[in-house]
Amino acid sequence: DTAVSQTPKYLVTQMGNDKSIKCEQNLGHDTMYWYKQDSKKFLKIMFSYNNKELIINETVPNRFSPKSPDKAHLNLHINSLELGDSAVYFCASSQGFGGSYNEQFFGPGTRLTVL
Amino acid sequence: GESVGLHLPTLSVQEGDNSIINCAYSNSASDYFIWYKQESGKGPQFIIDIRSNMDKRQGQRVTVLLNKTVKHLSLQIAATQPGDSAVYFCAEYSGYSTLTFGKGTMLLVSP
Repeated sequence: DTAVSQTPKYLVTQMGNDKSIKCEQNLGHDTMYWYKQDSKKFLKIMFSYNNKELIINETVPNRFSPKSPDKAHLNLHINSLELGDSAVYFCASSQGFGGSYNEQFFGPGTRLTVL
Repeated sequence: GESVGLHLPTLSVQEGDNSIINCAYSNSASDYFIWYKQESGKGPQFIIDIRSNMDKRQGQRVTVLLNKTVKHLSLQIAATQPGDSAVYFCAEYSGYSTLTFGKGTMLLVSP
């Protein structure tokens, strides 16, 4: 069974469109994250949610809106897509929040290409 | 048109060699340091971590060394195998569940 899954794996769309990426984890974790990996492989945190509450928002444009309907899901909706949004987006999850480090488990990624 | 390469630091080794991947970190307040492996088309995968009050930690075929004086972290892989070929990232953790990743090093293992 896949621990952290994302759909779709590939997403090709036109500038200006709105799209969503879904993430689900079956690890029973209570913290979930979205990361963006650019073309140079640089990986940066975007958001983290703990028990469906937004904890971290790392100066991401408000065109990006995460939504956590329950602890096992964290979806990412992107409005008015721009060329610079092209990247690989990774979802991750961990047990617990803050304090000592809790291993983060990453999904397989969604490659978004904006034309 | 001209293609632009990834320009990641790359370490090329022969199968069976020992590999050492280095990382410089910036935040002296970081509590943990973690190494992740990312294979092509996959998400990062945890390899090993080390707490800031330690200077060495060993796992299966991997050893992480931490030098806080110069803010340097290294990952040693013994008897490197073709399956070790991947991009390796170091990451710092300083609370609030935030990981700050380094730039990544590509390891290429030739049979």
